[in-house]
Amino acid sequence: AQSVTQLGSHVSVSEGALVLLRCNYSSSVPPYLFWYVQYPNQGLQLLLKYTTGATLVKGINGFEAEFKKSETSFHLTKPSAHMSDAAEYFCAVSDPGVNNDMRFGAGTRLTVKP
Amino acid sequence: NAGVTQTPKFQVLKTGQSMTLQCAQDMNHEYMSWYRQDPGMGLRLIHYSVGAGITDQGEVPNGYNVSRSTTEDFPLRLLSAAPSQTSVYFCASSYSRGLAGFQETQYFGPGTRLLVL
Repeated sequence: AQSVTQLGSHVSVSEGALVLLRCNYSSSVPPYLFWYVQYPNQGLQLLLKYTTGATLVKGINGFEAEFKKSETSFHLTKPSAHMSDAAEYFCAVSDPGVNNDMRFGAGTRLTVKP
Repeated sequence: NAGVTQTPKFQVLKTGQSMTLQCAQDMNHEYMSWYRQDPGMGLRLIHYSVGAGITDQGEVPNGYNVSRSTTEDFPLRLLSAAPSQTSVYFCASSYSRGLAGFQETQYFGPGTRLLVL
């Protein structure tokens, strides 16, 4: 069964600095990969996803992630952090095939300092 | 579109009480699911449904029941509340799960915060 590990439960960056949130997965086959964001007191919303095709995926709000099969990783990046990026970020994985649901990582809380 | 709606937003229960968390979506989505969110554990799937009349268990189903009589509604029932069920509950929906795996975007409700004393 697939699983996902997010390295770092809390990440703090300064406004304007690079954001890097790490996600590694374990899967017997190339999986489908997702990043969701949760703003305070709200539900989750999709940032971006990789299913097939180009391994560099661009999402909303300037975020992007690259699927690296050799490293089993799907790290999320943004070149310049904004105060409004402060939120909790979840990486999720799903294996191709019937009856394979989505598994979420534990989440990484991003703090942006002025 | 209202999207995915959940009621109530917050609930306090005593151990042993039962209650139903409501979830509705107006996007004509086939797939609906319930997750619980606990600190340091991310979201864990409780139950899901791939269409009206079809439900199945997820990762942590014990203590919960679901039914899906319509496409729009997917209520979650706590049969006899326990302190271990204190959590934030999210309902989500997507167009389908598909035969080739879960590729679809899930749309989440705002959550229900449950405290069991």
